[in-house]
Amino acid sequence: EVQLVESGGGLVQPGGSLRLSCAASGFTFSIYSMHWVRQAPGRGLEWVSYISSSTSTIYYADSVKGRFTISRDNAKNSLYLQMNSLRAEDTAVYYCSANYYGSSGYYYDYWGQGTLVTVSS
Amino acid sequence: QAVLTQPSSLSASPGASASLTCTLRSGINVGTYRIYWYQQKPGSPPQYLLRYRSDSDKQQGSGVPSRFSGSKDASANAGILLISGLQSEDEADYYCMIWYSSASVFGGGTKLTVL
Repeated sequence: EVQLVESGGGLVQPGGSLRLSCAASGFTFSIYSMHWVRQAPGRGLEWVSYISSSTSTIYYADSVKGRFTISRDNAKNSLYLQMNSLRAEDTAVYYCSANYYGSSGYYYDYWGQGTLVTVSS
Repeated sequence: QAVLTQPSSLSASPGASASLTCTLRSGINVGTYRIYWYQQKPGSPPQYLLRYRSDSDKQQGSGVPSRFSGSKDASANAGILLISGLQSEDEADYYCMIWYSSASVFGGGTKLTVL
């Protein structure tokens, strides 16, 4: 069974830091591209960051560039998001997602249940 | 102007069909992009439904009923998610997504009510 389990969310003060983790199982993590996507309370989905399977390519949304850092450890089947200089507008449920295009062109797409980050004093 | 624009809400009756649109910003050609569609129910993560670029480049998500299909309206520069034979369980938020300029971009979502 495919599983993506996020952890590390919680309450943090503005300007603080948090490190989110996403533990993957049930699929070959090392060949999948990974994303962080967030959803503020009552709002839509907002893509945050992308990392390729080999870590050679990384992208960030403009709203988090310079503050957030995505990384992965393929040996540990884990994805991370280091979040610094947090702002109230970063308050959201953070989802990790995994994508892969198979040799036949079939697209695999999995999501975790999310972890809530609340930035407030 | 947002890259992807979706109507905020749509209502339809059980058994009817619903056409959800995802309009690309002027200057971004819908014919160029694979459009991905997701369904999200309250308290749950998004679930991948399907992707559509053309009739020769499309894919249904695993376990997604054939009642869900994708298409495009080139004249409106829009992607379309068509849900036929609506069921109460189809009531959810629906999001479109494209890869654009080294970023994944989501539309604002459409809340579909089945009543």
